[in-house]
Amino acid sequence: KAGVTQTPRYLIKTRGQQVTLSCSPISGHRSVSWYQQTPGQGLQFLFEYFSETQRNKGNFPGRFSGRQFSNSRSEMNVSTLELGDSALYLCASRKTDYTDTQYFGPGTRLTVL
Amino acid sequence: QKEVEQDPGPLSVPEGAIVSLNCTYSNSAFQYFMWYRQYSRKGPELLMYTYSSGNKEDGRFTAQVDKSSKYISLFIRDSQPSDSATYLCAMIPYNTDKLIFGTGTRLQVFP
Repeated sequence: KAGVTQTPRYLIKTRGQQVTLSCSPISGHRSVSWYQQTPGQGLQFLFEYFSETQRNKGNFPGRFSGRQFSNSRSEMNVSTLELGDSALYLCASRKTDYTDTQYFGPGTRLTVL
Repeated sequence: QKEVEQDPGPLSVPEGAIVSLNCTYSNSAFQYFMWYRQYSRKGPELLMYTYSSGNKEDGRFTAQVDKSSKYISLFIRDSQPSDSATYLCAMIPYNTDKLIFGTGTRLQVFP
């Protein structure tokens, strides 16, 4: 069974640009969550999508947005990039809810210059 | 103050040692408790999952939850160099699906 895949693995952007990250969940998983990981703040929850609808949201500004497609694949977009957005962005999938194990992808390392 | 506090380490121990990793939390609504392990350049992987106070054992790993003290621990017996990784505690509040993580403790087990 293939795991969670994320593309691209590495990305370098400059301030003010926008970026789109992609996540393909494990087959059969309908929930996809996104996290930002930085050395200072650790893993912080961005949002969760379930059946193409945002089900939960963390405390991030509106520059961070996401969507989920009918095949459960998800994308995350960050507009007007800031230096502080440099981080590892992790996607995780699970079948439905908190009773199911959440599986993480390897992450996309975003560097903003 | 963060909802979940975790000592970042690093914690360096010799092979075979017993390792104790800890997290404290402030929100009494946390009902589900997990420990994840994250190797360098990889995503976190689930090690242990529990929802009640007390101990849960899985091989060399024991997860302990004390809801009255708002304190959870992960013990690793007979630690191995392959256990060298960052260990993250995570919690889910009652009635939500949000996972709240600690900042992680970096563990190094040397031969």
